[in-house]
Amino acid sequence: DQQVKQNSPSLSVQEGRISILNCDYTNSMFDYFLWYKKYPAEGPTFLISISSIKDKNEDGRFTVFLNKSAKHLSLHIVPSQPGDSAVYFCGGGETSGSRLTFGEGTQLTVNP
Amino acid sequence: NAGVMQNPRHLVRRRGQEARLRCSPMKGHSHVYWYRQLPEEGLKFMVYLQKENIIDESGMPKERFSAEFPKEGPSILRIQQVVRGDSAAYFCASTFSGANVLTFGAGSRLTVL
Repeated sequence: DQQVKQNSPSLSVQEGRISILNCDYTNSMFDYFLWYKKYPAEGPTFLISISSIKDKNEDGRFTVFLNKSAKHLSLHIVPSQPGDSAVYFCGGGETSGSRLTFGEGTQLTVNP
Repeated sequence: NAGVMQNPRHLVRRRGQEARLRCSPMKGHSHVYWYRQLPEEGLKFMVYLQKENIIDESGMPKERFSAEFPKEGPSILRIQQVVRGDSAAYFCASTFSGANVLTFGAGSRLTVL
């Protein structure tokens, strides 16, 4: 039972353009969602989060959108930079302190 | 202010040996989580611990795997009688009570020959 799905294993964009990474979930009990970025041979690092009571959260070049009725969220990066090239994981959590359930990840490549 | 510290970073074991992975959470964090990333796969939850207590072990394989977070010292993930399928990156994360954001360590990469 895969509660969080990232259906695109990879995404390639040009520097300066927008990157849109998608995530779908099935667990209606998720109360919050987080995006993490992971470089090879490193641990995941927190990027941005959104509560289930909101539909948008923005932090600099990063914006996360949540559509609860569709059980879908997306991460927008604009403008994309080569340093953004990494694997991005979407995760959902039910209550504070509970485990995060992650998707399979999307490899983003930003070409100069 | 050190982050989440994991050691060893790389561990090589032969089939049938034991692997012990250690995790020291960030200062002030009392919650520890272990995740596993198999080659070409995502992050899979294994276990969630607080000091001296296992809170959620629903992701732990039923046999050979165990975890602890003692009152003093790091959290330990122990894998007995390792098999080739245990080869993976094992990530530890920590947080403080009531927080949503997990801080991850750099991971321990286990290779089973």
